[in-house]
Amino acid sequence: DADVTQTPRNRITKTGKRIMLECSQTKGHDRMYWYRQDPGLGLRLIYYSFDVKDINKGEISDGYSVSRQAQAKFSLSLESAIPNQTALYFCATSDPTGQGYNEQFFGPGTRLTVL
Amino acid sequence: SQKIEQNSEALNIQEGKTATLTCNYTNYSPAYLQWYRQDPGRGPVFLLLIRENEKEKRKERLKVTFDTTLKQSLFHITASQPADSATYLCALDGGPSQGDSWGKLQFGAGTQVVVTP
Repeated sequence: DADVTQTPRNRITKTGKRIMLECSQTKGHDRMYWYRQDPGLGLRLIYYSFDVKDINKGEISDGYSVSRQAQAKFSLSLESAIPNQTALYFCATSDPTGQGYNEQFFGPGTRLTVL
Repeated sequence: SQKIEQNSEALNIQEGKTATLTCNYTNYSPAYLQWYRQDPGRGPVFLLLIRENEKEKRKERLKVTFDTTLKQSLFHITASQPADSATYLCALDGGPSQGDSWGKLQFGAGTQVVVTP
């Protein structure tokens, strides 16, 4: 089973609708991140959480909110979706205290289309 | 503001040759630089990390260099194969000196590599 899972994998919605994207991980990492990816712009950080009680805005948080329900779960919400939020969304985790390099482990992504 | 630049044009290369990608940055002093591979429609996968005090790091057919004076990293794929075709992203990490923000990465937009038989 995948270590980082995202649901849904694809979603088409209409302008003004509320959307929630969910991320779950079995890696036991405290740190979780939400990114969006647009062609030519690379990955941009929306929100990040370094533990269950910690939530921080990234570079493009406007129009988004998050909830860290548990160590393993980190949800991203679009309160009122707009077309320019059409993008590929990725969740990621990391562990700076582990034996690795504080690299990030990504989920498979959610392709969101807002009409 | 911090800026990370990777060549936006796809790199087309013949099988067996060496592919060389660049990652340039400005207004940043990263302690670590990471490289990721991303296949279409999938999440990035970590490949290598190089620290600011390391000049070169190798892993199998991959080699990364890091020049903090030039503010540049080079990523080499030697003896390239069609299976190496993907987009490669560099990511910068300020390291523990960032305090609580350590581990928050800044990504470049990536360079697509196409290896033809």
